[in-house]
Amino acid sequence: DAGVIQSPRHEVTEMGQEVTLRCKPISGHDYLFWYRQTMMRGLELLIYFNNNVPIDDSGMPEDRFSAKMPNASFSTLKIQPSEPRDSAVYFCASSKDRPNIQYFGAGTRLSVL
Amino acid sequence: SQQGEEDPQALSIQEGENATMNCSYKTSINNLQWYRQNSGRGLVHLILIRSNEREKHSGRLRVTLDTSKKSSSLLITASRAADTASYFCALRPETEKLVFGKGTKLTVNP
Repeated sequence: DAGVIQSPRHEVTEMGQEVTLRCKPISGHDYLFWYRQTMMRGLELLIYFNNNVPIDDSGMPEDRFSAKMPNASFSTLKIQPSEPRDSAVYFCASSKDRPNIQYFGAGTRLSVL
Repeated sequence: SQQGEEDPQALSIQEGENATMNCSYKTSINNLQWYRQNSGRGLVHLILIRSNEREKHSGRLRVTLDTSKKSSSLLITASRAADTASYFCALRPETEKLVFGKGTKLTVNP
């Protein structure tokens, strides 16, 4: 398996623009997680899905953030409108049920100018 | 807070020496996991220890867990320059999600 695939690897955009991050989890995994990593706050869980259903979105910072998982092989994280404070590295991870070892993608480095 | 706290925040050693990192936490856990992150990369799982286990080994890695003290340690023996990375402990409470600490940045000097 190719592992968790994220795109794009880098995204530079201007404040107010819509940003869409994409993730393809490992085939057969039941769970998908979206994280944000910054120097100040470390690695924060934004939302996670189980069998394509959102289970916990308590980490989503604002209504500007939304995530979808239309099928078992694809998920998106959207920020609309983007702000400079959204600049971070966003990771997607997937896991099978028990023992929930997570496999991370390479991340998307987002810069909002 | 459910988050684990790693100690030290940064560690610099010479190649061949052992590196020890600690993780303390406050919540009850189902298991505790350690991950490594090389600069500019995603996290990679290293080892998982369940709440009813006290010690696990994997190659040059040794992990201990003391649930009475709510602490874990990761020992890397005979370190190599390639071990230079950030190391994170991740707690699994009773839910499926993991809660990551802020990490220990390890530098192994050749």
